[in-house]
Formats: sequence, C-alpha cells, structure tokens
Amino acid sequence: ETGVTQSPTHLIKTRGQQVTLRCSSQSGHNTVSWYQQALGQGPQFIFQYYREEENGRGNFPPRFSGLQFPNYSSELNVNALELDDSALYLCASSFPATFQETQYFGPGTRLLVL
Amino acid sequence: AQKVTQAQTEISVVEKEDVTLDCVYETRDTTYYLFWYKQPPSGELVFLIRRNSFDEQNEISGRYSWNFQKSTSSFNFTITASQVVDSAVYFCALSEAQAIYKLTFGKGTLLTVNP
Repeated sequence: ETGVTQSPTHLIKTRGQQVTLRCSSQSGHNTVSWYQQALGQGPQFIFQYYREEENGRGNFPPRFSGLQFPNYSSELNVNALELDDSALYLCASSFPATFQETQYFGPGTRLLVL
Repeated sequence: AQKVTQAQTEISVVEKEDVTLDCVYETRDTTYYLFWYKQPPSGELVFLIRRNSFDEQNEISGRYSWNFQKSTSSFNFTITASQVVDSAVYFCALSEAQAIYKLTFGKGTLLTVNP
C-alpha cells in the first residue's frame, strides 16, 4: 500500500450536478496530482497542487477545480457534470524537493454520471 | 507533444511463460523520465520503475526486467516465469524532466496469466 487514501470509493451522480472527491496524501508528501482514467484508457493528468496552489494543469476545462489544505490533503471538484465525466479519478502524492520525486497513487474514486 | 504507444491491448500467457510488454514513446525533450505502473483490478496504480533518459542501462528486479533503447524510443518490460498474480493492466508512462508530476500514459496492456 502507498499510504494514499481516497474517498469515497464509489459515487453516482446525475448530469448537471456537482461532485467533490477527496484525497489524503502519503505522510510527508506535500504535493498532490489528480488524474482521470476513462474505461479502457490510460490516466490523464488533470492538475497538480503544491503548497496549496495549482502548479500545473492538463487539458481539462475550468469546471474541474481543486484545493489543497495545510495538511496536504486535497479535493477535486467537478461542476456541471457531464456523462463523459464518468471515470476512475486517481490522486497521487509525492515529495518533490526538486519536483523529481516519483508519485504514488491512491486506489481511486469511481464516478458514474447518469 | 508527448505520446506513449502500447500496441498490445491484451496478452494471455500460461503460468511460467516469459512475456514482454512493449512501449514506444515520442517526445521532443532531451531529458525525460519513463515509468511502468501496474494496475490490478482494485484500481490502484502500483509503481514499478522509473528510468531517466540519461540512463540506458537495462535493469533487473527479481522476475522483472526493463530494456530501454533510446535509438528506437522504446522501453520494454519483461516478466520472466510469469505467475497468476502478475495478471493486471500494465501502463507505460512518460514525463518531462522538469515536470515529473505530469505523466503521459499509454492505453495499457491487459496481461492475463492462466494457471
């Protein structure tokens, strides 16, 4: 186990709703990244948070937003849910003294949008 | 733009067979990192290896070995004497050296090891 935890494990929402997913990073890790993994695909980078600020972003619209808290835990918020948002959402933590450290992933949250 | 191609969608072998998972990548960066992750049915991505572009030495870890060839932009993964517990989806990934957190993944290879 990596020590990265995510909640909830599964979630069902309807189109147009908002959702918040949570991630607790491995002890000592101050950076969190979020990925979206559609069925049968590889994960896609959404964004990374470092020192409570967004540090980099992939090709996702602004309705995907995040937060990082002083204890380094993180939230991913998705507004105006669409059917295509159905996916496994993974968070990964690392301790990037020089942004060179490997990321360790949590078990993910499976989101189904109906 | 970076791209990772895993041409093998699914592979099925019998226990104790050797199996090689292929990975071909594209990048304009001169410095980059390559990774392999394993994803069992539980969903969690398990880190297996990281290799930087300066180090073309092959690596062996138990039954796992990796062959990095910069000339062909390939980073292949071999499991020797496969076991049922090796059954999973395996992902190859690439990142820029200055943004190691931003991984570009391939679509993965589903490996099934039958008893």
